[in-house]
Amino acid sequence: QKEVEQDPGPLSVPEGAIVSLNCTYSNSAFQYFMWYRQYSRKGPELLMYTYSSGNKEDGRFTAQVDKSSKYISLFIRDSQPSDSATYLCASHQGGSNYKLTFGKGTLLTVNP
Amino acid sequence: GAGVSQSPRYKVTKRGQDVALRCDPISGHVSLYWYRQALGQGPEFLTYFNYEAQQDKSGLPNDRFSAERPEGSISTLTIQRTEQRDSAMYRCASSLMSGSTGELFFGEGSRLTVL
Repeated sequence: QKEVEQDPGPLSVPEGAIVSLNCTYSNSAFQYFMWYRQYSRKGPELLMYTYSSGNKEDGRFTAQVDKSSKYISLFIRDSQPSDSATYLCASHQGGSNYKLTFGKGTLLTVNP
Repeated sequence: GAGVSQSPRYKVTKRGQDVALRCDPISGHVSLYWYRQALGQGPEFLTYFNYEAQQDKSGLPNDRFSAERPEGSISTLTIQRTEQRDSAMYRCASSLMSGSTGELFFGEGSRLTVL
């Protein structure tokens, strides 16, 4: 079993839809949780990060972490065609070595 | 440069040859990471440096893989006696300092194809 599991999709939604992306993890030592966005032929770029459990909102994006169930979520409101990309969840333990463990990534397409 | 620069962008080599992949991190970034990303997969950790010191090489698949960062800036990932299973995108990332929130800045990668 991989430490971070993510449904690879693909996921296709109409413009304006609410998108829910999810991951589960198995390593109880993980403290930091991130979502990276990767456009085609590009490197991943950080979208949001959360420390421990809780919610974090940034514009149309909301990240949620539930450590009791080891569940990581990203919600995108009013999705736009420019949101079409692969979304990767990632986690690390914190401290001086933040070796990121990534999920497989979910390919999202938002259709105009 | 403004971002993480990797070269070559594409490398095709024959099985058994050695390859060297180069990473030039963002100026001033202390930490440098190497990841490998297969098609349809997330990046997989290989190794990591703080300044010139290799802190963790637990992700290197075997002893054909090595990495160095002799002056704490540019890094080279070397694969000796390449095999077809080494074909992948190799990504370098850097960050301002270790122990921060985990924002890694990734380069565009070096795609290695071993024939």
